[in-house]
Amino acid sequence: QQQVKQSPQSLIVQKGGISIINCAYENTAFDYFPWYQQFPGKGPALLIAIRPDVSEKKEGRFTISFNKSAKQFSLHIMDSQPGDSATYFCAASSVGNQFYFGTGTSLTVIP
Amino acid sequence: ETGVTQTPRHLVMGMTNKKSLKCEQHLGHNAMYWYKQSAKKPLELMFVYSLEERVENNSVPSRFSPECPNSSHLFLHLHTLQPEDSALYLCASSQRGGQGDTQYFGPGTRLTVL
Repeated sequence: QQQVKQSPQSLIVQKGGISIINCAYENTAFDYFPWYQQFPGKGPALLIAIRPDVSEKKEGRFTISFNKSAKQFSLHIMDSQPGDSATYFCAASSVGNQFYFGTGTSLTVIP
Repeated sequence: ETGVTQTPRHLVMGMTNKKSLKCEQHLGHNAMYWYKQSAKKPLELMFVYSLEERVENNSVPSRFSPECPNSSHLFLHLHTLQPEDSALYLCASSQRGGQGDTQYFGPGTRLTVL
């Protein structure tokens, strides 16, 4: 059973547009929700993370929106740039326990 | 050297070979992980070492054998692998028990089994 479901599998966005990636989870014990960014030939790198005590977290052009009642969270990339083209993974965990990752979203930003 | 390093970056091996993957973390963390990354699948956690003791082994076949000689080094010994074991193998480290337990990944070893 997949603990974290991610969509879409791939996304193409024009430069300057908004990229939105969604994740849903089942386990209400999860209390930490990071997003990772992975470029070809590199390992995943932490991009931004949120805890369920807030509904939104913003860092630069990247925003996580969190809906605890719906058990969903999403990544929004504002003013998307070609350099944002990468694969994005959501994940969920509880403190001290293992991470569960989504299947990844391949983002392509067209100049 | 900074972060998490992995060697080799690429490995091609036959099904009868024995090889080892190496991971080193320079972050002072107390936990290290091996993940398998296959196309269109979630990252699969294989092994977790916390304070040099194996704390999780997620039903990984015995042809994969981990070793953690100290808190900075992690190995994955491979023998008699199958073609379906071809994947990107990622090492990660974290400070377990801390806030968020953020994991930091190495660049991975791209393994091809012929």
